[in-house]
Amino acid sequence: GESVGLHLPTLSVQEGDNSIINCAYSNSASDYFIWYKQESGKGPQFIIDIRSNMDKRQGQRVTVLLNKTVKHLSLQIAATQPGDSAVYFCAENPYGNKLVFGAGTILRVKS
Amino acid sequence: NAGVMQNPRHLVRRRGQEARLRCSPMKGHSHVYWYRQLPEEGLKFMVYLQKENIIDESGMPKERFSAEFPKEGPSILRIQQVVRGDSAAYFCASSSGTGVNQPQHFGDGTRLSIL
Repeated sequence: GESVGLHLPTLSVQEGDNSIINCAYSNSASDYFIWYKQESGKGPQFIIDIRSNMDKRQGQRVTVLLNKTVKHLSLQIAATQPGDSAVYFCAENPYGNKLVFGAGTILRVKS
Repeated sequence: NAGVMQNPRHLVRRRGQEARLRCSPMKGHSHVYWYRQLPEEGLKFMVYLQKENIIDESGMPKERFSAEFPKEGPSILRIQQVVRGDSAAYFCASSSGTGVNQPQHFGDGTRLSIL
């Protein structure tokens, strides 16, 4: 099923520390996963994606890990900065082109 | 280097009026998607269109909602006879193709408020 949440989980980290945001996806048929960042009043911004035939992919300061056995995704942000504060969503594509979004995690960076 | 452009950014309507939301995809993108977001929730898929064709409308209510992506001009999401429950943020995304490694890129949304 799809995740719906009234109160988003919050992760608070100190500036300069590493952040790990987790996501459990629901459909074994999904073969493509994306992490998006959404700032207040804006649309989701693409961060990084990964195909199901990979278990790790690195970008600039970000790493996505995929564990298909337990249907788990994580986003690691190195040296977290105040500008990283936002809501982070994972998305999967179990039904072709439409994305199914998770409930989201709020990341707060303390200076 | 324009991204996905949506207008208006904010739209206020009274119950029973019509709302028209516009979306211009990124240059070179011919695939358009509409999503709806309620506060503190993830985005929910509504409809997927290519030029002049609706490919998947499984997430769109059968009544009052329609979408189009004409040969010329922006994609339009139309909501007739709006009700309070239609209040939400509506996001448009576009992509250059389908499948993996062709991510959807989003606009900044239209926030619809129903009085």
